[in-house]
Amino acid sequence: AQKITQTQPGMFVQEKEAVTLDCTYDTSDQSYGLFWYKQPSSGEMIFLIYQGSYDEQNATEGRYSLNFQKARKSANLVISASQLGDSAMYFCAMRGGSYNTDKLIFGTGTRLQVFP
Amino acid sequence: DAGITQSPRHKVTETGTPVTLRCHQTENHRYMYWYRQDPGHGLRLIHYSYGVKDTDKGEVSDGYSVSRSKTEDFLLTLESATSSQTSVYFCAISESQGAKNIQYFGAGTRLSVL
Repeated sequence: AQKITQTQPGMFVQEKEAVTLDCTYDTSDQSYGLFWYKQPSSGEMIFLIYQGSYDEQNATEGRYSLNFQKARKSANLVISASQLGDSAMYFCAMRGGSYNTDKLIFGTGTRLQVFP
Repeated sequence: DAGITQSPRHKVTETGTPVTLRCHQTENHRYMYWYRQDPGHGLRLIHYSYGVKDTDKGEVSDGYSVSRSKTEDFLLTLESATSSQTSVYFCAISESQGAKNIQYFGAGTRLSVL
């Protein structure tokens, strides 16, 4: 069975520092995708970054990067130069099952708090 | 903005009553999904659709049904609401961006079953 594990219920980081949010996954598929979403206190789900299992380079989107270690089955999110607006829940997700259906399996999330 | 609108945004209902949540999209996406979000569980897939009148079950489909009579609308129905269905419900679409498909979410519907 496919599974996403986020072991950090909460994290604190000082403004302007970098922070890493952990995500490990389990799948027997050779082709899969890994996603990170941000959920601020307002409740919406915001797509941040995507990594395909065959992508040779780690994905980057502005201040977000995904540290993809395939052998270790980890897909950690790195946020550089944290800002107060980064305070939110962060969810790791994996595209599971058939590629054609794009169904996502989510982790339980990490709450990040950025302090001045 | 992926052009997804969920309605209603908030609803309070009583146990045993039927409830229908609507997801409307404006960009002709083929795939649509309904998830629920509960504390400690992240988001879990209820049902999804891969085209008009084509739907399938997700991880937590018991007590829910869906319909998609036209591309732009995906309806989630609780035939007889129970307190365990109190949750936040998210609709999503899958958008193709080159070699990757990205799911974008609506703003969510907060449902309370009393």
